[in-house]
Amino acid sequence: DAEITQSPRHKITETGRQVTLACHQTWNHNNMFWYRQDLGHGLRLIHYSYGVQDTNKGEVSDGYSVSRSNTEDLPLTLESAASSQTSVYFCASSDGRGEKLFFGSGTQLSVL
Amino acid sequence: QKEVEQNSGPLSVPEGAIASLNCTYSDRVSQSFFWYRQYSGKSPELIMSIYSNGDKEDGRFTAQLNKASQYVSLLIRDSQPSDSATYLCAVNPQTGANNLFFGTGTRLTVIP
Repeated sequence: DAEITQSPRHKITETGRQVTLACHQTWNHNNMFWYRQDLGHGLRLIHYSYGVQDTNKGEVSDGYSVSRSNTEDLPLTLESAASSQTSVYFCASSDGRGEKLFFGSGTQLSVL
Repeated sequence: QKEVEQNSGPLSVPEGAIASLNCTYSDRVSQSFFWYRQYSGKSPELIMSIYSNGDKEDGRFTAQLNKASQYVSLLIRDSQPSDSATYLCAVNPQTGANNLFFGTGTRLTVIP
């Protein structure tokens, strides 16, 4: 069955370190998204991609970057982790013909 | 200004009752509206989508859309304890991007 997987499920890091969260989907979807979820803020879009070599900033992109070298993967990199980036991160994908998002299981990131 | 507003709740209803969840949005040109359900510690999953004014029914769920009032709601009939979750309203602002803006969610508890 097609799926979208995130790794790791939990990550603890220190401020200033570079961190990369992985996202891999086997739906063959063109569109991929990274959201963060915090209490009181709901899901907020960080970055998104509509295809290979395409990346775009979302509403909370500062301090994050993504790259899309193939259809299946959209890794999210925190260049220099900050405590404000402690959050639950969700990767999602869609086929572009509708807006149904398929979400991964999430990554709980703690920056100490 | 937030794109999508929801009452954070919590909303408690007895088993068998109707649960009513509400959402307002700020972008008048928005065309696509969605309700996602998120169980504690899990990822969101789509339960309803609606694109036209009026009601859309799917089993025990009914989505209602009023574009003039910029209002979308979700009714859950015959509420079950398994409906206890956070319900996220999402809107596609249709600004040329295939992105969704999410509300902060309403936590629903169905009391047996």
